[in-house]
Amino acid sequence: ETGVTQSPTHLIKTRGQQVTLRCSSQSGHNTVSWYQQALGQGPQFIFQYYREEENGRGNFPPRFSGLQFPNYSSELNVNALELDDSALYLCASSEITGTYEQYFGPGTRLTVT
Amino acid sequence: AQSVTQLDSHVSVSEGTPVLLRCNYSSSYSPSLFWYVQHPNKGLQLLLKYTSAATLVKGINGFEAEFKKSETSFHLTKPSAHMSDAAEYFCVVTVGGGKLIFGQGTELSVKP
Repeated sequence: ETGVTQSPTHLIKTRGQQVTLRCSSQSGHNTVSWYQQALGQGPQFIFQYYREEENGRGNFPPRFSGLQFPNYSSELNVNALELDDSALYLCASSEITGTYEQYFGPGTRLTVT
Repeated sequence: AQSVTQLDSHVSVSEGTPVLLRCNYSSSYSPSLFWYVQHPNKGLQLLLKYTSAATLVKGINGFEAEFKKSETSFHLTKPSAHMSDAAEYFCVVTVGGGKLIFGQGTELSVKP
């Protein structure tokens, strides 16, 4: 069974640029969630995708957008990067079942300069 | 609305002594509660989960947690700390499964 993978591991961008982060979900999982973890903080929910549709969103501006593909992999896109976007971005996959366990990837560390 | 409060930002114990990490939750509905652990430069690993079955939940690596509705608490315990337990621990609440709400985290240090 393959776990959740994310790419790239690290990324450095300049303020104002755009970035795309990628996530492959665990085998058999049809739901992907994205979280932002700032340094010294707990992860914050960005949004969730189920069957290629957004299925819930946290308190993040529209410049944070996503996609889910038919194979359940996902992308997180951030436009007009700001310095405060520097964080660890975590992807988690799950099934829509009673326990809703979410399994996390290792994350992408984004630095905006 | 749901929320989680981890009562200690940092806990330090000696190897072989008990561990107690405290968590209080707030939820309008019957919550699902989780504890996750994050080792440095690693992703989050699920330690254990409560989903309205038994109130005493056993997890991996000897950890357990007890759901106490009257106290709105879900404290994490381990009888004997090991050096490898040093990490950041997050208490998490969810209702409906879509959105996990994390606490601020408790950093556990284990002294030899």
